[in-house]
Amino acid sequence: GENVEQHPSTLSVQEGDSAVIKCTYSDSASNYFPWYKQELGKRPQLIIDIRSNVGEKKDQRIAVTLNKTAKHFSLHITETQPEDSAVYFCAASYNNNDMRFGAGTRLTVKP
Amino acid sequence: DAEITQSPRHKITETGRQVTLACHQTWNHNNMFWYRQDLGHGLRLIHYSYGVQDTNKGEVSDGYSVSRSNTEDLPLTLESAASSQTSVYFCASSEGIGGSPLHFGNGTRLTVT
Repeated sequence: GENVEQHPSTLSVQEGDSAVIKCTYSDSASNYFPWYKQELGKRPQLIIDIRSNVGEKKDQRIAVTLNKTAKHFSLHITETQPEDSAVYFCAASYNNNDMRFGAGTRLTVKP
Repeated sequence: DAEITQSPRHKITETGRQVTLACHQTWNHNNMFWYRQDLGHGLRLIHYSYGVQDTNKGEVSDGYSVSRSNTEDLPLTLESAASSQTSVYFCASSEGIGGSPLHFGNGTRLTVT
């Protein structure tokens, strides 16, 4: 099955700085790559996703890039705010079959 | 509004007992999933289903079983609870068409003593 690795496991930035989280996947057939944000004690919530026919997608301060050749994808958060502090998970799957998650990145944004 | 509901929210049980966690969705989604979440491991897939009467094993399925008798429900059963199964369990569903987001329930915190 798919194997997803995520780095770093923890990330601390100053408010207003950018944050980048990187993931690699093993199955070249994977074609769907979502990112989830999980606040303490809450359920994971989708923040952005990308499909394999697209190289980059942006939604306000959040962007995701995908490199199919290298089998890696990244989450970029610009102008970080304290409310961005949470655990972020990447995931990969082929048409939603058997979706696998990375181990998570704990992002702390210092005011 | 459509939603996905898990029950109970918290459960304490003893080693060796059988435990069933409920998951009910009103999205009318074909795909349903069970994950467990442990510190340092993220979300690990236990079992999943693509529709009624369909079930599949995930990466950590030993000691767990599921059944899918209708579209709305995918109960997760721990046949003989072990302390290693103490975890937070999340149920999720998705449309399952060409890559679509998972909708998660609020989770069940299970403690096996």
